[in-house]
Amino acid sequence: GESVGLHLPTLSVQEGDNSIINCAYSNSASDYFIWYKQESGKGPQFIIDIRSNMDKRQGQRVTVLLNKTVKHLSLQIAATQPGDSAVYFCAERPEGAQKLVFGQGTRLTINP
Amino acid sequence: GAVVSQHPSRVICKSGTSVKIECRSLDFQATTMFWYRQFPKKSLMLMATSNEGSKATYEQGVEKDKFLINHASLTLSTLTVTSAHPEDSSFYICSALLSSHDTQYFGPGTRLTVL
Repeated sequence: GESVGLHLPTLSVQEGDNSIINCAYSNSASDYFIWYKQESGKGPQFIIDIRSNMDKRQGQRVTVLLNKTVKHLSLQIAATQPGDSAVYFCAERPEGAQKLVFGQGTRLTINP
Repeated sequence: GAVVSQHPSRVICKSGTSVKIECRSLDFQATTMFWYRQFPKKSLMLMATSNEGSKATYEQGVEKDKFLINHASLTLSTLTVTSAHPEDSSFYICSALLSSHDTQYFGPGTRLTVL
């Protein structure tokens, strides 16, 4: 079946350090991947996306890497700030579908 | 751009009553919206896909008579929890598909508490 999972449920990093959040997916037919950030009591916020014809995409302080060979997705956040503390979800979209399949989420805590 | 709102943000109701939650795309039109449910410290669970002008598509295990979805316009979808019970208490989140970006943008969520 389809599943999207995360290697680590929690991650703590020092303010200013870089953080890497990992995600494994099982559906090799997925063609679109998204990272969302969710703060407590709020809806998910779009961070960055990547399509299956790419292996890297950069945004402001964030980079998403896609390794289709091992079905692995990662989110790199550079120079973390207190405001980066949140739960991060990866999501995949199976080819031809509109709906997303969400991973379990990783709680990122930034230590001062 | 790509702002999605939900109303109300919080609602408390008695068992047996019905509650309507609205999801609006404020600055774009969305033929497709989605409704999710999220339990504490858990991931998002898709309940149904809402298509403007047609019946919603429900995920397996979601009761369509319990969770009524109406997508009457390109900017509004509603979820009505009928005859609510305490086990329906949850965080309900909608999203709208921005076709030009092929990306779902989420609302802020509605916290439902059924007493």
